[in-house]
Amino acid sequence: GESVGLHLPTLSVQEGDNSIINCAYSNSASDYFIWYKQESGKGPQFIIDIRSNMDKRQGQRVTVLLNKTVKHLSLQIAATQPGDSAVYFCAENMFPDMRFGAGTRLTVKP
Amino acid sequence: EAQVTQNPRYLITVTGKKLTVTCSQNMNHEYMSWYRQDPGLGLRQIYYSMNVEVTDKGDVPEGYKVSRKEKRNFPLILESPSPNQTSLYFCASRKTSGFAYEQYFGPGTRLTVT
Repeated sequence: GESVGLHLPTLSVQEGDNSIINCAYSNSASDYFIWYKQESGKGPQFIIDIRSNMDKRQGQRVTVLLNKTVKHLSLQIAATQPGDSAVYFCAENMFPDMRFGAGTRLTVKP
Repeated sequence: EAQVTQNPRYLITVTGKKLTVTCSQNMNHEYMSWYRQDPGLGLRQIYYSMNVEVTDKGDVPEGYKVSRKEKRNFPLILESPSPNQTSLYFCASRKTSGFAYEQYFGPGTRLTVT
């Protein structure tokens, strides 16, 4: 089956900077995407989602952008804080399944 | 509080000794699922259940069994564990009505098979 992938396995940013985490997907028919955050020792937590009929969706300090032309998804975190350090997963809905990327580890330097 | 619980959180066992990892959710979700997480591979689905008495294989079902006798519980059974089943396991649940498919994950069970 098709899978969701991530461009970079690790990302290190300075506290206060903006972070951008990327995701490439291969199933052009996918209609829904989710970003999850996984902190050490915990299960993944929902951050934000986006439907395929949208290009952009904003939450609190987070923005997800969807480019269906190149099948690319990104998560932007504004004013990154130490508490944002975690692994971030892009997930693609293939009901009833979900397909998850391997994740990007975000490290925030003080 | 809406949550998915798993037990045990940590388990070390030996090859061939049957074990069960329990999973319970209090959100009345129809859909439940088990994943394993291994370094560099992301979450891979083992089994899922669309509702009571309805289960189906995911991507990596070999060596695992599940049951769904009640809506809230979805135990994962390893009849004869082997070292290649050493992994971090997550149970998840979500509703199946509506469009949003947000899954709620349990805290994880770290299993080591020696």
